Amino acid sequence: DVQMTQSPSSLSASVGDRVTITCRASQDINNELTWFQQRPGKVPKSLIYDASSLQSGVPSKFSGSGSGTDFTLTISSLQPEDSATYYCLQYGDHPFTFGAGTTVDIK
Amino acid sequence: EVQLVESGGGLVQPGGSLRLSCAASGFTSSDHYMDWVRQAPGKGLEWVGRSRNKGHSYSTEYAASVKGRFTISRDESKNSLYLDMNSLKTEDTAVYYCVRGLRGFDCWGQGTLVTVSS
Repeated sequence: DVQMTQSPSSLSASVGDRVTITCRASQDINNELTWFQQRPGKVPKSLIYDASSLQSGVPSKFSGSGSGTDFTLTISSLQPEDSATYYCLQYGDHPFTFGAGTTVDIK
Repeated sequence: EVQLVESGGGLVQPGGSLRLSCAASGFTSSDHYMDWVRQAPGKGLEWVGRSRNKGHSYSTEYAASVKGRFTISRDESKNSLYLDMNSLKTEDTAVYYCVRGLRGFDCWGQGTLVTVSS
């Protein structure tokens, strides 16, 4: 199975900061990776698919990059509504696997 | 509007069975790959399984943790997806989400809670 190592597990940043979350796959998954945002008590929301394609309706402050085994989600200017847990998911190989999540707090 | 609505969750004893349903609207679900994802209370997300689209004969894949116990099926006439869960264990307690597997996983239902407890 493909193991997804997501880091950091949590972070605290200020409004306006640039935030970066990474996921590393244990084997090459091409670009078959997606990023989700889950606010407390809410349904996960897709942000990025195919590693770098922005989901329809998602603000352009979210961006994704990477291919192969190393991937990054960047929030260019953190806002209070971005306080959430972020997950990566690889769908390059079965069984699909999620990262453990990154909780983002606002200072 | 594209929408997924799950139902069928509830309290079941260990070793019991349950069927979850997912009704799709705003699109033809048979054209799409569809997935089930679950989230145990206070925990992260776990992929459960996938049903490929009609063009791929609705073939399925499962996580190791549920393989042999869970089965995904479809009803084209009802535009619906199902998850049959047998031999349930306490560790299957979770909110179960139905998800459209397009452009990553672009559309999620609101989830249905399954509690396995005696």
